[in-house]
Amino acid sequence: TQLLEQSPQFLSIQEGENLTVYCNSSSVFSSLQWYRQEPGEGPVLLVTVVTGGEVKKLKRLTFQFGDARKDSSLHITAAQPGDTGLYLCAGARRSGGYQKVTFGIGTKLQVIP
Amino acid sequence: DSGVTQTPKHLITATGQRVTLRCSPRSGDLSVYWYQQSLDQGLQFLIQYYNGEERAKGNILERFSAQQFPDLHSELNLSSLELGDSALYFCASSALASGSTVQFFGPGTRLTVL
Repeated sequence: TQLLEQSPQFLSIQEGENLTVYCNSSSVFSSLQWYRQEPGEGPVLLVTVVTGGEVKKLKRLTFQFGDARKDSSLHITAAQPGDTGLYLCAGARRSGGYQKVTFGIGTKLQVIP
Repeated sequence: DSGVTQTPKHLITATGQRVTLRCSPRSGDLSVYWYQQSLDQGLQFLIQYYNGEERAKGNILERFSAQQFPDLHSELNLSSLELGDSALYFCASSALASGSTVQFFGPGTRLTVL
């Protein structure tokens, strides 16, 4: 059982469509990060959200942290082929005086031209 | 380019063998993390070092070990390799051991065990 559940696991859409992917947990996180990973490369940080209810925008990407800091969503408006990749969420919790980060399994997005 | 380097990029070896993966963190980063990524398991945290000392352990097998050297580079040693160890191995570094930790990932080492 994953601590962080991401859904959907796979998503294939046409260019120009909107989409939302979700990251859910029963645990409370001090912060949550979203990464994007392209094939053969390491994950690249997109955003960090810290405050419950926080919304951050990065061009066509909108990230929201749940009020209870247990879940998050990523909404992409007018998806482009360049948005194709694996989207990972990672939750950080304090453990023994330092932060422990746990990754979800990811949502694999394919945007078809 | 994240500033984190990993070598080698690809590694093909046989079952029962031992390999060493190397990681150099971003300049100034004291923390190094190792992850294993496979198709069915996602990104699994293995181990973290901070300034030369082990800080946290995740799902790391006893056949695997790591260390961080005084110059802050790190090595992940995988021994008695099995077919199931085939995966991408990522190293990440961060500036902090606590606080709001942002990790920067290297390009990974793709290990294939035949």
